[in-house]
Amino acid sequence: GQNIDQPTEMTATEGAIVQINCTYQTSGFNGLFWYQQHAGEAPTFLSYNVLDGLEEKGRFSSFLSRSKGYSYLLLKELQMKDSASYLCAVKISGYALNFGKGTSLLVTP
Amino acid sequence: DAGITQSPRHKVTETGTPVTLRCHQTENHRYMYWYRQDPGHGLRLIHYSYGVKDTDKGEVSDGYSVSRSKTEDFLLTLESATSSQTSVYFCAISGRGTSGDAAGEQYFGPGTRLTVT
Repeated sequence: GQNIDQPTEMTATEGAIVQINCTYQTSGFNGLFWYQQHAGEAPTFLSYNVLDGLEEKGRFSSFLSRSKGYSYLLLKELQMKDSASYLCAVKISGYALNFGKGTSLLVTP
Repeated sequence: DAGITQSPRHKVTETGTPVTLRCHQTENHRYMYWYRQDPGHGLRLIHYSYGVKDTDKGEVSDGYSVSRSKTEDFLLTLESATSSQTSVYFCAISGRGTSGDAAGEQYFGPGTRLTVT
């Protein structure tokens, strides 16, 4: 089967930096996606990595190492509105995504 | 944001009744997906479509069927609802992504909360 692991919960302080890790063991790999989901809302697309390295988008960055089956999402200058679940997903074949169970991030004052 | 809507947004139904959920998009995207989201399981793919009348099964397709007769609509049907199908259902769409691949990043609809009593 496909295995995508993330920590269940994390807590960080407003203004700080937090790193959310994702490890995967899958039968194929065509890219890794990060989504943000606020409680009661739909997931929203944050980032996409298909090659090794770091992709930066404002306060958010995502890193991928295909040889290690590892990715992380880095959130800088944390704000209260960043409290949400962060979902790691791997595209194994051409179309569909396999999601991890998500990491619930709580940002405290 | 991608133009994607789901209807109904909330539904309560009884065990054994048929239920159809509708996903409608205005983006002319080729690919459409149905997921369910449950505590402790994350998002799981039910069915997806890669074109009009072209559909395939996902990870948790038992008890569900789909139809896509036109680009903009993707229907999910529970032929005989069971309590285990109580969940939040999300539709998603994707087209050519920023990296150029045919089925790029997915954009999600607002979700349908279904309760089967």
